Amino acid sequence: DTGVSQDPRHKITKRGQNVTFRCDPISEHNRLYWYRQTLGQGPEFLTYFQNEAQLEKSRLLSDRFSAERPKGSFSTLEIQRTEQGDSAMYLCASSRGSGKTQYFGPGTRLLVL
Amino acid sequence: AQRVTQPEKLLSVFKGAPVELKCNYSYSGSPELFWYVQYSRQRLQLLLRHISRESIKGFTADLNKGETSFHLKKPFAQEEDSAMYYCALSFPNTGNQFYFGTGTSLTVIP
Repeated sequence: DTGVSQDPRHKITKRGQNVTFRCDPISEHNRLYWYRQTLGQGPEFLTYFQNEAQLEKSRLLSDRFSAERPKGSFSTLEIQRTEQGDSAMYLCASSRGSGKTQYFGPGTRLLVL
Repeated sequence: AQRVTQPEKLLSVFKGAPVELKCNYSYSGSPELFWYVQYSRQRLQLLLRHISRESIKGFTADLNKGETSFHLKKPFAQEEDSAMYYCALSFPNTGNQFYFGTGTSLTVIP
């Protein structure tokens, strides 16, 4: 499968713990996006990278959230001091340049107890 | 500000009946509009985009700038069309981030 992959697929954690998610985009895609989806809502944009540069961050991305794409390939999204409100599906997508179709991964479902 | 509105959370139609999923957007420029679909236990995937002007799986969508709408239509619904449908808008000159609607769950009744 050469699509976007995400790991882990599910994560249960206790409030206050840190969690890290990984996204592997389609290999030739230079743009990588993170979205969050809560129940009954569509995906909400969090941040995106062009190669290794993080070019935009949503206001949804509080200072507890950080994302990296160190070599312009895979990306990680870390949430520090998790809160119950962080419980959501975290989606990653990639595209080959601007204005191109985004391809989504299967998501990581986070539950904060 | 809500940029994409999908007024129907749930929509049920009988097999063979026409289906229309509504999408309205609020933006005065020239965005790109997309329909994404999520079948049960599958990932979000592109169904169609307005600039392609193509029909995918019998679905079409026409961008109406006057009414700021991008409704998705199919003349004869099939059971396999049952899924969650999301309308999305992007601004190619600003990073191409997507703004999604809240989605419409379509059920096609056999």
